[in-house]
This record gives sequence, structure tokens and C-alpha cells, in this order.
Amino acid sequence: KNQVEQSPQSLIILEGKNCTLQCNYTVSPFSNLRWYKQDTGRGPVSLTIMTFSENTKSNGRYTATLDADTKQSSLHITASQLSDSASYICVVSDSNQAGTALIFGKGTTLSVSS
Amino acid sequence: GAGVSQSPSNKVTEKGKDVELRCDPISGHTALYWYRQRLGQGLEFLIYFQGNSAPDKSGLPSDRFSAERTGESVSTLTIQRTQQEDSAVYLCASSSHRTVNTEAFFGQGTRLTVV
Repeated sequence: KNQVEQSPQSLIILEGKNCTLQCNYTVSPFSNLRWYKQDTGRGPVSLTIMTFSENTKSNGRYTATLDADTKQSSLHITASQLSDSASYICVVSDSNQAGTALIFGKGTTLSVSS
Repeated sequence: GAGVSQSPSNKVTEKGKDVELRCDPISGHTALYWYRQRLGQGLEFLIYFQGNSAPDKSGLPSDRFSAERTGESVSTLTIQRTQQEDSAVYLCASSSHRTVNTEAFFGQGTRLTVV
């Protein structure tokens, strides 16, 4: 069964600190993996996308990694800001044309405090 | 439009009533998705459209839920005889097509409260 598991479920850090969010998946056949940020009361917005051949991709203070062999991804946030407080969702796409395109994790809720 | 638009943004309805939720995808996007997000929970897939057809409706929780799409554009999610457990934010997303690297763009959602 295609699944995406994220950890931790929630995280509280102080402003300026770094943190790393984890995503493990069992989606097959794998197409790509995206990290989305969902602010409270808004729809998710894509941060990064990674395909099978990519190991690392950065978007400002966000750096995503992908290990396609172990089927794990991480999202590292550097020098956190209050505006980073949100839910971070790992989404994996399969390449099965007959099936559901996007498999969502349940998200990690990040709270950045001053 | 510039983004995915959903209406209404908020809906309060009495238990047992029917509701219709509307999604206007980004113009030209052929793929459209509906998700449900209960308070504090992750996104729950409901149905996927490619054009006007729905090749995957496996996430619809019961026969009270239905959706249609017309003109490869607007989609309507209908919930009949609403129950309190239907209370959630209903999110719609669209993408240009179902190929590698296609990004799904989300609307702001409709917050449904069944009282």
C-alpha cells in the first residue's frame, strides 16, 4: 500500500534555531517528492520538488534531501523565523497512470517561538 | 483566474441538509483534486478528475458524497444529508497534467461546519 509517514508529528523550536523534519514513503512506482508548507487557514504551497535522481535541493533557508534507496526524505530549516510556523507536508507522486497521483503525509506542525 | 478559487470560504449548515462546494481551477489545468482536512489532521484524498472524468473516486467516504466537473473547468463537491463528522476544511487543487514534476496548486479551502 502506498503510504507516506512523517515525523515528528509536532515540533517546537526557538527562533534562530535549525530543525529537520523527516518523511518515509513506500510509494511505488516513485515519480517525485514534494514538500509543501501550509500556513494556518490557507492551502498548501509547494517548497521543493525532488525526482529520483536528485539528492539535495535548496530553496532559501529550506533544504530537502532524498535517499531513493531507503525511501527517505528530510526537510532542513536553517535559522528559523516566526513565519516558519506552519504545517509541513510531504507529498509523493506515483507514476501509475491509473491510480491516485498524490499521496500525502499527515504533516509535521512546526511552532517557532521567540 | 490567477489561482485556484473555492467558494464559499465558510459554510455552516444544519445536520441533514445538503451542501455544494465549488472549485474553480487554474485555467487550462486538466487535473483537479478534492481533499478533506479535519481539524489538526492531514489531508485526506477524496476524488481526482482528469478532464471531466473521475478515474479515481476511491476516497469518497460514503454515497452521500459526489462530485462532478464540467467544461474541464469548474468542479462541484456535493454532500447530501450532512452529518457532524463531515465538518472539515475541503481543499481543491489543480495541476496542468498528470506528468512528472507537475505541481498541484491549492485553493484556500471551504470550511464546513455541520451543527
